[in-house]
Amino acid sequence: QSVLTQPASVSGSPGQSITIPCTGTSSDVGAYDFVSWYQQHPGKAPKLMIYDVRHRPSGVSDRFSGSKSGNTASLTISGLRAEDEADYYCSSYTSSTSVVFGGGTKLTVL
Amino acid sequence: QITLKESGPTLVKPTQTLTLTCTFSGFSLSTSGMGVGWIRQPPGKALEWLALICWDDNKRYSPSLKSRLTITKDTSKNQVVLTMTNMDPVDTATYYCAQSRGVYSQSLNWFDPWGQGTLVTVSS
Repeated sequence: QSVLTQPASVSGSPGQSITIPCTGTSSDVGAYDFVSWYQQHPGKAPKLMIYDVRHRPSGVSDRFSGSKSGNTASLTISGLRAEDEADYYCSSYTSSTSVVFGGGTKLTVL
Repeated sequence: QITLKESGPTLVKPTQTLTLTCTFSGFSLSTSGMGVGWIRQPPGKALEWLALICWDDNKRYSPSLKSRLTITKDTSKNQVVLTMTNMDPVDTATYYCAQSRGVYSQSLNWFDPWGQGTLVTVSS
């Protein structure tokens, strides 16, 4: 059982926006601005999309954005494209100096 | 360009010790702010963080696996080694290594880029 809670699946049509929530506790997501998001296509290694809640690495589209409120972080993808269909994982630093991941969300582009 | 590649056995028997090596290029683990972490993913399941080692030799482990894990670095060879003792079939997974960066070694927490991963199967 993953420490961070994500919906198993979300879906959207091309051009739409979707948001994936990631719920933790006051000992991880709520305690630090150290939430990151990863995209994983089938059979591929994960790719960092967002770090430190809202920062995008160089080369990541600005259609991807991150935010946080209390113990819940969110990843928003705007202008949905077919290539965005993938699994998405959140992760957070914790008060015990460890790193925890969410259970993952499968994004389907209809 | 930063690259990482995992190597090690593809099959281990229950109770054996797994040793995985991450060989990287494009950065040095003797440079302030650098770290290398290990993350695994059982088939069809979620990612699980295992361990991380930093430039200053700070080492952090998953609390649930800490007693079984050891992470070390060889800066001269640009390698990080992870050992996991007492392997069990539930440890069957793809094991990834990835670079981590940050100001404080105690708070390195994100990983980019990742290696391609290596599938380790635990079976007798």
